Amino acid sequence: EVQLVESGGGLVQPGGSLRLSCEVSGFTFTSYWMNWVRQAPGKGLEWVANINLDGGEKYYVDSVKGRFTISRDNAKNSLFLQMNSLRVEDTAVYYCARGYDLDVWGQGTTVTVSS
Amino acid sequence: DIQMTQSPSSLSASVGDRVTITCRASQDIYNYLAWFQQRPGEAPKSLIYAASSLQRGVSSKFSGSGSGTDFTLTISSLQPEDFATYYCQQYYNHPRTFGQGTKVEIK
Repeated sequence: EVQLVESGGGLVQPGGSLRLSCEVSGFTFTSYWMNWVRQAPGKGLEWVANINLDGGEKYYVDSVKGRFTISRDNAKNSLFLQMNSLRVEDTAVYYCARGYDLDVWGQGTTVTVSS
Repeated sequence: DIQMTQSPSSLSASVGDRVTITCRASQDIYNYLAWFQQRPGEAPKSLIYAASSLQRGVSSKFSGSGSGTDFTLTISSLQPEDFATYYCQQYYNHPRTFGQGTKVEIK
């Protein structure tokens, strides 16, 4: 069974940092691009970042460029999102999703940025 | 960035109705379009990729069409489990962008 399990969310003060993880199983991780997508409370979906098969290509939405870093560890079947200089507007449920067309999603992890 | 505009933003329909949601891209995205369903409190679920291809395991009551800039998602016979919010997304280039969502509610 294909599974994506996010972790690492929590409450953090503005300006703080968090590292999200997404552990995958049930498929060949190295065959897929991977994505992070977020959803602020009561809002729609926003694509955040993605990374290619070997980690050599990374793309970000403008609002997180320079603050967030996507990475992957293919040996551990894991995807990461390092989030620095967090802002109140980064508060959201963060999902990892598989592939170019986001065909499989995790259940999400909640990030709350508040003082 | 490519803007994705869905219409309507919400609709009310009855069980058994045929429902169509449209998605328009601000530039040609060929067929690099996906559709997702999100029920309240749940993660999104992929329904359609490449504009018209059904994801494995998804009911054939869902269908997608279109290419270029204009796309549609059709639900042939609405069932109680289909009341949800639907999103389109382009994956033609970066940044990937979603439509604002269409909430399908019970009439």
